Amino acid sequence: DAGVTQSPTHLIKTRGQHVTLRCSPISGHKSVSWYQQVLGQGPQFIFQYYEKEERGRGNFPDRFSARQFPNYSSELNVNALLLGDSALYLCASSFGANQPQHFGDGTRLSIL
Amino acid sequence: QKEVEQNSGPLSVPEGAIASLNCTYSDRGSQSFFWYRQYSGKSPELIMFIYSNGDKEDGRFTAQLNKASQYVSLLIRDSQPSDSATYLCAGLQEDAGNMLTFGGGTRLMVKP
Repeated sequence: DAGVTQSPTHLIKTRGQHVTLRCSPISGHKSVSWYQQVLGQGPQFIFQYYEKEERGRGNFPDRFSARQFPNYSSELNVNALLLGDSALYLCASSFGANQPQHFGDGTRLSIL
Repeated sequence: QKEVEQNSGPLSVPEGAIASLNCTYSDRGSQSFFWYRQYSGKSPELIMFIYSNGDKEDGRFTAQLNKASQYVSLLIRDSQPSDSATYLCAGLQEDAGNMLTFGGGTRLMVKP
C-alpha cells in the first residue's frame, strides 16, 4: 500500500511569492496534519484536518492556510513568503484524529 | 507553553549494546506518546507509540511511560549501526487539535 505522498519534493521560491503544497494520505486515513521542520529542530504543528474540517491550528501566522478535499487529500498554502519560511514541510495522515500519525517524505521549500 | 524535552546528544553506544533514550513532558493532559526515527535528510518514521503506564515491547524496541513522573523512554536492544539516527519523542495534545508536540530529538550513534 502506498504511504503518504507529498508533492513537490523540492521547491525554490523568492520572497513575497506564494506556494501550494499537496498531500495524499494513506488509503483509508481521514485525518491530515501539516508540520514545519527547521534544520536541527523537531517538527512544529501547523494544522490538522479531519473529515474536511479544521480541527487544530498551531502558532503560525494567517499567511498559512490549508484545506482538505472530499477524497481526504490536502493542500497547504503559504502567502507572502519570507526567508524564515525555508523549511521541510511534512504532511502526516492518521485513521482518526487522535490516532498515530504517519509522515510523508516532505517538501523541502527554499526561499531566496 | 507545553513542552517536550530531550537531550540532544549525541548518544554514542557500541554495536550490540542497549541504547536508552529519554524524554520528559510538561503537559499532564497528554495521554499518548510516540517515538519517531529520523535519518539525516529524511522524514520521521513512526517506530513506537504508548498510551498506558508501563512498558510496551516491539521487537528490539521497548517504550516506557511513567505519567506520574511525566517521563517517556525508548530502549533499543542489540543496537546496530543502522539504528544511528535522530530519535524524536512526541506527545499528543488532544485538547489542542490533536497536535503532536515534538522534542528536539536525540542523535544516536551506534559504533561498530
